Parts: sequence; structure tokens; C-alpha cells
Amino acid sequence: GENVEQHPSTLSVQEGDSAVIKCTYSDSASNYFPWYKQELGKRPQLIIDIRSNVGEKKDQRIAVTLNKTAKHFSLHITETQPEDSAVYFCAAPTHNDYKLSFGAGTTVTVRA
Amino acid sequence: EPEVTQTPSHQVTQMGQEVILRCVPISNHLYFYWYRQILGQKVEFLVSFYNNEISEKSEIFDDQFSVERPDGSNFTLKIRSTKLEDSAMYFCASSEGVPFYGYTFGSGTRLTVV
Repeated sequence: GENVEQHPSTLSVQEGDSAVIKCTYSDSASNYFPWYKQELGKRPQLIIDIRSNVGEKKDQRIAVTLNKTAKHFSLHITETQPEDSAVYFCAAPTHNDYKLSFGAGTTVTVRA
Repeated sequence: EPEVTQTPSHQVTQMGQEVILRCVPISNHLYFYWYRQILGQKVEFLVSFYNNEISEKSEIFDDQFSVERPDGSNFTLKIRSTKLEDSAMYFCASSEGVPFYGYTFGSGTRLTVV
């Protein structure tokens, strides 16, 4: 099955700075890479995703980059704001299996 | 925007009791899932369900767990004899399927076993 590793486990940034979270995956056939944001006590919510036929995708202040050769993908948050404070999870599916495996999560704290 | 709904939002139960967690997936979705999240930990896969049968289950999903889709809309998770370590947030999710578009999660049921 898919093994997803996520780093760092915690990340503290000054408001306005950038945050980067990295994930690696093991199944070279994986073709879809979502990122979820989970605020305290709430459900994980999809914030951005990328398919394996592109290398980068942006949506306002967030972007995801994918390196299929190295089997890693990253989430970039620019101009961080206090409301970006949350736990972020990366995930990847197993080929021929529509189950997502999640990384361990990164707790992002944006300091005002 | 379509939602996955879960009930109850919070369930407290005595150890050894049976609980049923309920979910209504998005109507045109074909794949259904249960995940659990122990406080402060990662989201862990329990089981996936497609075409009225389990397609995959994890080691966590042992004989005390079962899932059902009793009608066209509900998707339930039953825990037969709850243990203290079953205390967690349980999330239902659904997906359209092919090609894979990811999940929509429900708001979760917080299960507390005392």
C-alpha cells in the first residue's frame, strides 16, 4: 500500500512569511495528490490538489508542487495570515484503489 | 455545495456497549469510507465500501467493526463491543470514483467510551 511521509510535524511562522510542508510517497503509480486543512475540532477540508500530469498548481496564496521522479510533493503558503493556523495533511491514493493514505500532519502556527 | 452528513455529532457510551455511527454520503458518489482520528493524531483508514461490499479494510477494522448500506442513502459503522481505545473522532467520506477526485468528509462523530 501507499506510505506517505510528511515533514515537518510542527511549523511556526511569522505572519506574512511563507510556509512550506513536504510529503513523500512510495507508490510510483499514484496520480493524485490532495492537501487537506483541519481546524481544531473540525473535518479535514480539501484546499488544493494536483494530478500527476502537471508539476505545479496555484490558488491565490497556496500552491502545490509535484516531483514525480523524486516522489515528493509540497504545499506552499505565501503571505501567511493568522487564519492559516491549522493542521495540514497531505495524502496520496494507492493505484487501482481509491483509498487515500494520509501523512501524519503538520501543525502550522502563524504568529501575529 | 453537496455535503456528507454524520449523526450523532457526539456519542458517549459505556465500555462493552454497541454503537452505530450514521452517515449520508453525497448522492451521486460511489465510494464510501470510514476513517478515524484519535485526538492529535493522523487520519487513519478503517474501511472502504463500493458496490455494496467492503473493498478494503485496515488492521484496525477487526471483527468488532462492521459497515452497512441498509438503503440507498445511509452508510453506517457499527462497533459491537466498544473499548476505551475506540474513543476517537470518526469521519465518513465519499468519493465520485473514476477518475479519483478525492474525498468529501463529513463533520465527524466524536465517540467517547467511558
